[in-house]
Amino acid sequence: AQTVTQSQPEMSVQEAETVTLSCTYDTSESNYYLFWYKQPPSRQMILVIRQEAYKQQNATENRFSVNFQKAAKSFSLKISDSQLGDTAMYFCAFADGQNFVFGPGTRLSVLP
Amino acid sequence: NAGVTQTPKFRVLKTGQSMTLLCAQDMNHEYMYWYRQDPGMGLRLIHYSVGEGTTAKGEVPDGYNVSRLKKQNFLLGLESAAPSQTSVYFCASSRDRRSTDTQYFGPGTRLTVL
Repeated sequence: AQTVTQSQPEMSVQEAETVTLSCTYDTSESNYYLFWYKQPPSRQMILVIRQEAYKQQNATENRFSVNFQKAAKSFSLKISDSQLGDTAMYFCAFADGQNFVFGPGTRLSVLP
Repeated sequence: NAGVTQTPKFRVLKTGQSMTLLCAQDMNHEYMYWYRQDPGMGLRLIHYSVGEGTTAKGEVPDGYNVSRLKKQNFLLGLESAAPSQTSVYFCASSRDRRSTDTQYFGPGTRLTVL
């Protein structure tokens, strides 16, 4: 069965600095998709970034970028120039032809 | 576009009571999902639908039923609520197959069963 692991339950970062959230997954599939979702205190789940496994280039969305290491089954999220509004739970998720699996989440606090 | 909406936002039930959670989406998405979120466990899929009139079981379906009579609506029912069903429930929808497409989430419903 596919699993998603986020080894950092909580992290904090100073405003304007850079932080990296870790995610590893386990699968025997070669084609799949990876996502990072953000859940602020409002509880709304918001898509941050999406990566297709067959693409070697790392996805980027403004201040958010990923480091996708397919061989290592690693999918970390880097947030640059952290802002107070980035304070949230961040969930890594994996999807293949059969399953859509979320990790347990990392709670990120951006400190002023 | 309102996106995905959920009704109600909060509810408190007594053990054994029943209720229905309503999810509505205005994006003409084929796929809809119900998740529950518990502390330290991320989101777990309860049931999903691949189109109007269809439903399928997810990871944790026991104690829940669903219906998709209209494409835009996906209902989650609890026939006899139990304290173990205390959770935050999220509805989501996607244009394409659930395993590959981005899912759009509703704001969640916090349910407490006493």
